[in-house]
Amino acid sequence: KQEVTQIPAALSVPEGENLVLNCSFTDSAIYNLQWFRQDPGKGLTSLLLIQSSQREQTSGRLNASLDKSSGRSTLYIAASQPGDSATYLCAVRRYGGSQGNLIFGKGTKLSVKP
Amino acid sequence: DTEVTQTPKHLVMGMTNKKSLKCEQHMGHRAMYWYKQKAKKPPELMFVYSYEKLSINESVPSRFSPECPNSSLLNLHLHALQPEDSALYLCASLVHPASNYGYTFGSGTRLTVV
Repeated sequence: KQEVTQIPAALSVPEGENLVLNCSFTDSAIYNLQWFRQDPGKGLTSLLLIQSSQREQTSGRLNASLDKSSGRSTLYIAASQPGDSATYLCAVRRYGGSQGNLIFGKGTKLSVKP
Repeated sequence: DTEVTQTPKHLVMGMTNKKSLKCEQHMGHRAMYWYKQKAKKPPELMFVYSYEKLSINESVPSRFSPECPNSSLLNLHLHALQPEDSALYLCASLVHPASNYGYTFGSGTRLTVV
């Protein structure tokens, strides 16, 4: 059974700091991995999608890496800003799952202080 | 149009009421999903529709009744809910069930059962 773990559960940093969020999964047979951002009481905004054959994806100040063999992904946020404060969710899609279900981690709640 | 639109954004209903949640997308996606998210928890899958047919029901109580009238629209009919059903209900879509594209989520409906 696929399990997704995110560490840390919460993180507080001063503005301008670079930071790394971690995601690990138990079954390396994944189709892809998606990082989402969720603001309080809101829906999920997709940040980055990494296919199982890829090692990393970048979008602006965000960089996500994937090491499928070790079951790990990281989300790197450069030069953090107060507007980055949100909960970040990692989700893996099981390979061979024709219904395309996502398995979510419990998220990392990020607070960036001015 | 690259969005999944959910209405209403907020809903308060009594335990004897009947209400419906609506989800709409015009991206031509053929897989649509309902998720339920309790506070400080990750989203949990409820239903999957593939090509307008219900393909997964994750043992959801019958007081939740999904409907997919066409490829752009997904409804969730609610009847005789309990206070513990209060949650954020999220709709998501995917190009098709086996697609390697990422999921697109709506902004959710915040449901309160009184």
